[in-house]
Order: sequence, then structure tokens, then C-alpha cells
Amino acid sequence: DAKTTQPPSMDCAEGRAANLPCNHSTISGNEYVYWYRQIHSQGPQYIIHGLKNNETNEMASLIITEDRKSSTLILPHATLRDTAVYYCIVPNTGNQFYFGTGTSLTVIP
Amino acid sequence: GAVVSQHPSWVICKSGTSVKIECRSLDFQATTMFWYRQFPKQSLMLMATSNEGSKATYEQGVEKDKFLINHASLTLSTLTVTSAHPEDSSFYICSARDPHSAHYEQYFGPGTRLTVT
Repeated sequence: DAKTTQPPSMDCAEGRAANLPCNHSTISGNEYVYWYRQIHSQGPQYIIHGLKNNETNEMASLIITEDRKSSTLILPHATLRDTAVYYCIVPNTGNQFYFGTGTSLTVIP
Repeated sequence: GAVVSQHPSWVICKSGTSVKIECRSLDFQATTMFWYRQFPKQSLMLMATSNEGSKATYEQGVEKDKFLINHASLTLSTLTVTSAHPEDSSFYICSARDPHSAHYEQYFGPGTRLTVT
């Protein structure tokens, strides 16, 4: 079963920052949080992952709370091409991914 | 990032026939690959974990005799849907883990859409 919960949908205005929250209250000390997105009828695309420090790459930033029970993915300047379903994943002990329902992000012109 | 391909991208087959889907890691050797299934408007569901040179580990409720997985090389895993029926119509997605990565991110293929008529 998925170890994360996310809001089912969000809207964001084009050019604005999109902040996507994720709860992972049962995460243990050495488990990473991974973020992927899936554009319609494609395979999921890796975005970013982190353990406890905030992370940033060319796609997004990941903010993890100090207690590690939640995180937020930030797309700093959302474009129409960022419309997708975003998944936050904490793997199980076998490092397998169990996907939750994700957040369907719609970027509005 | 690492690239994973799948073939075919879509396939239509008749009920009762078998279909093979290939998953390849193009620029790295993957000791572990995963197979997922996704029904319309639903999330990805893990079907099995495929380890090179050994038997696949299937998730509960997934019939191993119906969904045959072979991971014969470090760059290729195949999923064969045997005696396919219309209820097997779905989007099948594979992923691979780069063993040289310090962490456990998976790289996903583009998916294969199977339609059983």
C-alpha cells in the first residue's frame, strides 16, 4: 500500500509557483521521498528525491519538514506543459514503489 | 537521466492469444526491473519485481502463470500476457533501477497499451 497521501487535484496559474503537498507521516529515518509526474498516456517521469534536506534541481525544489512527515514539491514557474499527475512516493522496505492516487495539477493559462 | 524503452507502444490482440512486451534499459544495466499496470483514470499498480537471472516476485493477486516475466539479461525484461482476455486490456509500464545510483530512483518506460478484443 502507498505510504503517502496527496490532495486529488490542484490548479495553478501559468507562470506562478505550483506547490504540491504530500503527507508521509509513517516515514522512517532512512527512507527517501521520491516525486514523479505522469503526463497523460506516458510513463512516469522522475522529478526529484530527498531524505531530510531541501533539494533543488533544474525541474523543481523539494521542501521536507523537519519531522519528515510531509513534503512539498515546488515548480517555481509553472507552464502549461507541467499539467500532469504528480506522485509522491516513499518506497517500502524492498525499495518497491506503491503509487497512491497522486495530485492532478492543471496549469491554467 | 537514464532511458528505458518499451516495445511495442501499443498492441491489439484477439482474446485467447498471448502478447509479449519488451522493456529495455538503453544506457545502463538494470539488475532490477519492475512491471506495473494502469487502468484508465487509476494509479499505477505494481505487478511484479523482476531480478536478472532469477524468478520474478509477484504482487499479491497477480497470477504468475498468466503474466510471465523473463529478465534474461541486464538490459532486457519481458512480460508475456498469456491467453489474454478483454479484462487484461490496460496500460503496461515497466521501470528499471540503475544499480550505480546511490539511491533507488526508478526510470520508467513510455508504456504499452494493450487492447484485447
